[in-house]
Amino acid sequence: AQSVTQLGSHVSVSEGALVLLRCNYSSSVPPYLFWYVQYPNQGLQLLLKYTSAATLVKGINGFEAEFKKSETSFHLTKPSAHMSDAAEYFCAVSDYGSSNTGKLIFGQGTTLQVKP
Amino acid sequence: DAMVIQNPRYQVTQFGKPVTLSCSQTLNHNVMYWYQQKSSQAPKLLFHYYDKDFNNEADTPDNFQSRRPNTSFCFLDIRSPGLGDAAMYLCATSVQQGGNTEAFFGQGTRLTVV
Repeated sequence: AQSVTQLGSHVSVSEGALVLLRCNYSSSVPPYLFWYVQYPNQGLQLLLKYTSAATLVKGINGFEAEFKKSETSFHLTKPSAHMSDAAEYFCAVSDYGSSNTGKLIFGQGTTLQVKP
Repeated sequence: DAMVIQNPRYQVTQFGKPVTLSCSQTLNHNVMYWYQQKSSQAPKLLFHYYDKDFNNEADTPDNFQSRRPNTSFCFLDIRSPGLGDAAMYLCATSVQQGGNTEAFFGQGTRLTVV
């Protein structure tokens, strides 16, 4: 079965600093991985996804993530944090190995705080 | 814009009083999901439809039911809400089977049980 683990439930950075949110996965099949962002009282918005086409994936709002099979990781980064990046971030893996509809298995989430 | 729309955004219901949450989509996606997200937790899948085929998660309480009368609409029925059912309920869609397509989420309905 697939699973993801997000290291660090809270991350705090200064505006303009590097953002690094960590995600490690476990999968019995080649994984499809996603990062979603959730603002307070909102739904989830896709930031980016890995579907095996390229290991470095660029997403919206300046975010990117690198798939590293040897480390079973898919960490999310942004070179320079902006106040508007403050939100909850979820890493997810598709459970397509056991489900024919690719339902998402989410990590516990990381709250990103951006300090002025 | 094509999207996933949930109504209402906020719902207050009485303990034990049946409540229905609705979701509509203009994306014409085959798959529709209902997730429950409790405070400071990850979304947890309750069930999903692939077209008209209903798939219930093993640990979804019987108190939760769903209907999908057509491609565009899906409903979540909570037969007898308890205080523990207070949560954000998220509807999502995806275009097809398989794992490499992302889910598109609605804005969610925040359910309060009093």
